[in-house]
Amino acid sequence: AQSVAQPEDQVNVAEGNPLTVKCTYSVSGNPYLFWYVQYPNRGLQFLLKYITGDNLVKGSYGFEAEFNKSQTSFHLKKPSALVSDSALYFCAVRAGAGNNRKLIWGLGTSLAVNP
Amino acid sequence: DAGVTQSPTHLIKTRGQQVTLRCSPISGHKSVSWYQQVLGQGPQFIFQYYEKEERGRGNFPDRFSARQFPNYSSELNVNALLLGDSALYLCASSLLIAELAGNEQFFGPGTRLTVL
Repeated sequence: AQSVAQPEDQVNVAEGNPLTVKCTYSVSGNPYLFWYVQYPNRGLQFLLKYITGDNLVKGSYGFEAEFNKSQTSFHLKKPSALVSDSALYFCAVRAGAGNNRKLIWGLGTSLAVNP
Repeated sequence: DAGVTQSPTHLIKTRGQQVTLRCSPISGHKSVSWYQQVLGQGPQFIFQYYEKEERGRGNFPDRFSARQFPNYSSELNVNALLLGDSALYLCASSLLIAELAGNEQFFGPGTRLTVL
């Protein structure tokens, strides 16, 4: 079955420390992977994506993600967390074939950055 | 430039009623997708439209329907509302069919539907 897993419901980090939000996936073929962020009472915002190429992808707001094919993971990272990074983070992967392709979303990870 | 807009922002209905949600994509975007996000969960794909044609459908009952207009705006209709339909309904637009081209989607702020 094609799926996305975000194994942590919540991640807590101190401001200035590095952060990692984990994502693993299971799809057939080459994956298209995405990270989105959702701030309270706002819609989802695109952070970054992996289609092909370098395994380390750089995105918005200083975030980056590392694609690891052998571990089927696409973890989101940031070297130094800010309090303003506190939000809900979603990993998504393209699944299906032809006109049945769609994005499958993880359940989200709530990131809390403490001052 | 205006982003994706949705109306209304909030809506309260009772069981059995019908509701219509509206979405205007970013200018130039031809693809609109609808998602349902229940509190505490990730978005669940409902429909995708591209060039006014349905290009994808998620696992939702026939009570859910949608359409896309010549100006690429879209409506989501839900009939015979159930309590479980209470959720944030998100509209996303993209230049092409996001899932095929790998394009990112741009989301509106959502419509919060409460069914009593």
